[in-house]
Amino acid sequence: QKEVEQDPGPLSVPEGAIVSLNCTYSNSAFQYFMWYRQYSRKGPELLMYTYSSGNKEDGRFTAQVDKSSKYISLFIRDSQPSDSATYLCAMSRSGTYKYIFGTGTRLKVLA
Amino acid sequence: EADIYQTPRYLVIGTGKKITLECSQTMGHDKMYWYQQDPGMELHLIHYSYGVNSTEKGDLSSESTVSRIRTEHFPLTLESARPSHTSQYLCASSGGYTPNNEQFFGPGTRLTVL
Repeated sequence: QKEVEQDPGPLSVPEGAIVSLNCTYSNSAFQYFMWYRQYSRKGPELLMYTYSSGNKEDGRFTAQVDKSSKYISLFIRDSQPSDSATYLCAMSRSGTYKYIFGTGTRLKVLA
Repeated sequence: EADIYQTPRYLVIGTGKKITLECSQTMGHDKMYWYQQDPGMELHLIHYSYGVNSTEKGDLSSESTVSRIRTEHFPLTLESARPSHTSQYLCASSGGYTPNNEQFFGPGTRLTVL
């Protein structure tokens, strides 16, 4: 079983929709939770990170962590065609610099 | 935008050739990483370095080797390329002052071995 599971999609939504992207994980030692966005033929760039449980909001993006369920989410409000990309979740434990990544979910926002 | 560079961006090469993928960063980060990314698959860590003259193999076995002679430079070498090495290779770096040691990624090198 993979440590991090993520639905690869693709997910197609109309412009303006609320998008929900999710990852589940099995290792309860994970403390740091990241969401990266990767455009085609580019490297990933960090969108959001959360330490431990709770919510974090940044503009149209909200990251949620539910450690009891081992489940993290990224919500995108008022989605735009420019949000079309692959979204990768990543996690790490305290005391290590190594990340474990999900497979990424490919999102397409239709104009 | 992160100051981390990878060359070449695309490489098509024949079997048996020796290749070096270059990675440089100008952020003074002590930690650097190489990942392999295949379509629809997660990023797999193949090498990492916590500083000059420090290199470790990652979670995914790889026939490549790395060196870290200078802080800013972390090249990856394949002595004899094979078609199974065809993949996207991503370099990343992180410093010691952010709470979660955010990893900054380069644009990647897409390698095709014929």
